[in-house]
Amino acid sequence: DVKVTQSSRYLVKRTGEKVFLECVQDMDHENMFWYRQDPGLGLRLIYFSYDVKMKEKGDIPEGYSVSREKKERFSLILESASTNQTSMYLCASRSGTQQFFGPGTRLTVL
Amino acid sequence: GQNIDQPTEMTATEGAIVQINCTYQTSGFNGLFWYQQHAGEAPTFLSYNVLDGLEEKGRFSSFLSRSKGYSYLLLKELQMKDSASYLCAVRDYAVDGSSNTGKLIFGQGTTLQVKP
Repeated sequence: DVKVTQSSRYLVKRTGEKVFLECVQDMDHENMFWYRQDPGLGLRLIYFSYDVKMKEKGDIPEGYSVSREKKERFSLILESASTNQTSMYLCASRSGTQQFFGPGTRLTVL
Repeated sequence: GQNIDQPTEMTATEGAIVQINCTYQTSGFNGLFWYQQHAGEAPTFLSYNVLDGLEEKGRFSSFLSRSKGYSYLLLKELQMKDSASYLCAVRDYAVDGSSNTGKLIFGQGTTLQVKP
């Protein structure tokens, strides 16, 4: 079974803090993605990566950055967390047709 | 622009059949996906259509018409555990034309409630 894991299920941070969300996949997939999911807005793509050290902006990259130093790990970074970044964050990896999601991290920024 | 539309909510009765529609307008098209997401859980893959027609997989079927920009997910013999959100997503072409790097564009999702 493909496994995509995320470092935390729930996270509470304060405004202005630097936040790291980690995602690891164990299937040697080239493509990895970070989404946020908000009620009424669906899943929106923040950043994606199609190879180590390669990254592409998604639809809503502002306020976020990413890092892909190893093929299996894709990190999402909030340089200075703000309350409007309170959301469910979902990581995914893909090879070929199927895209597999991690369990999600519910981030609350106070 | 990119636009994917699906109904926000639907209700159906256990044992019945329900059809969830999805219409899309995207700059490129390289396949349409349906995902199921239970509350508090990650989306899980249900189906993939890239050619016109019907794909059947057990109680679930998915249909695609590329010329109409339209798809539907058909759920038969509904069970209570089918209560979930159903996400329609279109994969576009990557800038370099490689299908492997095309990103998924999601609709808002349809929350289906199955009642006894």
